[in-house]
Amino acid sequence: GAGVSQSPSNKVTEKGKDVELRCDPISGHTALYWYRQRLGQGLEFLIYFQGNSAPDKSGLPSDRFSAERTGESVSTLTIQRTQQEDSAVYLCASSPTSNTGELFFGEGSRLTVL
Amino acid sequence: AQKVTQAQTEISVVEKEDVTLDCVYETRDTTYYLFWYKQPPSGELVFLIRRNSFDEQNEISGRYSWNFQKSTSSFNFTITASQVVDSAVYFCALSGGFTGTASKLTFGTGTRLQVTL
Repeated sequence: GAGVSQSPSNKVTEKGKDVELRCDPISGHTALYWYRQRLGQGLEFLIYFQGNSAPDKSGLPSDRFSAERTGESVSTLTIQRTQQEDSAVYLCASSPTSNTGELFFGEGSRLTVL
Repeated sequence: AQKVTQAQTEISVVEKEDVTLDCVYETRDTTYYLFWYKQPPSGELVFLIRRNSFDEQNEISGRYSWNFQKSTSSFNFTITASQVVDSAVYFCALSGGFTGTASKLTFGTGTRLQVTL
């Protein structure tokens, strides 16, 4: 597609369940980022991929969070044993290079943990 | 540590008014980049501008203009003759370095702009 695609757009889950969020970046974009946006707050950096490697995963809040990228394309963010504080919009962005800062964002996956 | 402060949580203006969104940043990097992104109701953030720390020239793009002042660590954004379509949340962001970390943007909490008729 023309833009960054994220799925699901909305996910409601019960506390303790695992969730997977998917991101399809713009074709050819080598850099991919995950951010989290809590209600009324700014965007928190989670992890950054250059190709399939993650040089910076410093923003992952706990070991319940993990992410991978394959084929220099699709990325999956996995949250295990979800907690209520994980409720947020998870935004994915891609960029043709890793140092321009011009990120192309998807519409996000809204996660609600009951 | 880097920090971006957008003190204005919400601004309401009437169409055709000018409005300035404030952004103040903190960084220890000597080389850094500043950004503004727009998040319309649809939710998808849209890149508006990037400036590097060596270029303090103000920039104008149509009704948008940006005032970068290193002395006050500010990067303010002005919309002239606002329109209803300008209604959105606007985020100021900061990154540092050249490669790799240059993409790790630190975002402010955003300013919600509401333009009414």
